[in-house]
Amino acid sequence: SQTIHQWPATLVQPVGSPLSLECTVEGTSNPNLYWYRQAAGRGLQLLFYSVGIGQISSEVPQNLSASRPQDRQFILSSKKLLLSDSGFYLCAWSVWSGQGRLGTEAFFGQGTRLTVV
Amino acid sequence: GQQLNQSPQSMFIQEGEDVSMNCTSSSIFNTWLWYKQDPGEGPVLLIALYKAGELTSNGRLTAQFGITRKDSFLNISASIPSDVGIYFCAGTMNTGNQFYFGTGTSLTVIP
Repeated sequence: SQTIHQWPATLVQPVGSPLSLECTVEGTSNPNLYWYRQAAGRGLQLLFYSVGIGQISSEVPQNLSASRPQDRQFILSSKKLLLSDSGFYLCAWSVWSGQGRLGTEAFFGQGTRLTVV
Repeated sequence: GQQLNQSPQSMFIQEGEDVSMNCTSSSIFNTWLWYKQDPGEGPVLLIALYKAGELTSNGRLTAQFGITRKDSFLNISASIPSDVGIYFCAGTMNTGNQFYFGTGTSLTVIP
C-alpha cells in the first residue's frame, strides 16, 4: 500500500533563516506531488505541483521554492523565511487512476506546522 | 484559479442530527472528492465520485456527483461527536493534475 511521509511535524524558525521541508511517498511510481499551505485551519492554497522529476509548476509567486530530486521525493525550501510564511504545510500525492476514470484522488501527509518568529 | 463555493461555512448541530453540505463550481469537474480534516492533521479522503449522478456511501456518509457536473453534496446521518472537524470538497478537471478545494465546512457536534 502507498504511504506518504512528511517531516518535521512542527518547526519554529527565526525570520531570515532557511527552510527545508521534505516529503516522500512509498508504494507507487511516478506520482504527481503537491505542496499546499493552509492558513488558520481553512482554505488549502496550492503552492507547487510536480508531474515528474525536475518538473515543478508554481501556482503563486512567493518566497518559497520546490524541488523534486527523485521520483518520490518533494522538497519545499526557502532561503530566507518571512513572518508571513507561517502556516500549516501539507504535501500530497496522486496518480492517474485510469480504467475509465477521468479523475483521480489526492492523499495527504500529516502536515508541518511552521511558525516563523 | 478555479473557485469552489462550499456551504455552509460552519455548522453547530446536536448529536444524532443529520448534516448536509454542498459544493458548487462554475466549471465542469471530472471528479468530486470529499475530505475530513481533524485539527493538526492532514485531510483524509472520505468519498470519491467519478460520474455525473453517482451516489456513493461510506458508512453514515453519502455523497453525490451532481448531474450538471458542477456540484456535489455530502450528507452525514446520525452525527456523533467524532464527526467534528473541517470537511472539504475538491474536484479535478481534464487531466486531473490539479485539485481545486472548497473553503471548508467546520462541523461541531454538541453531545
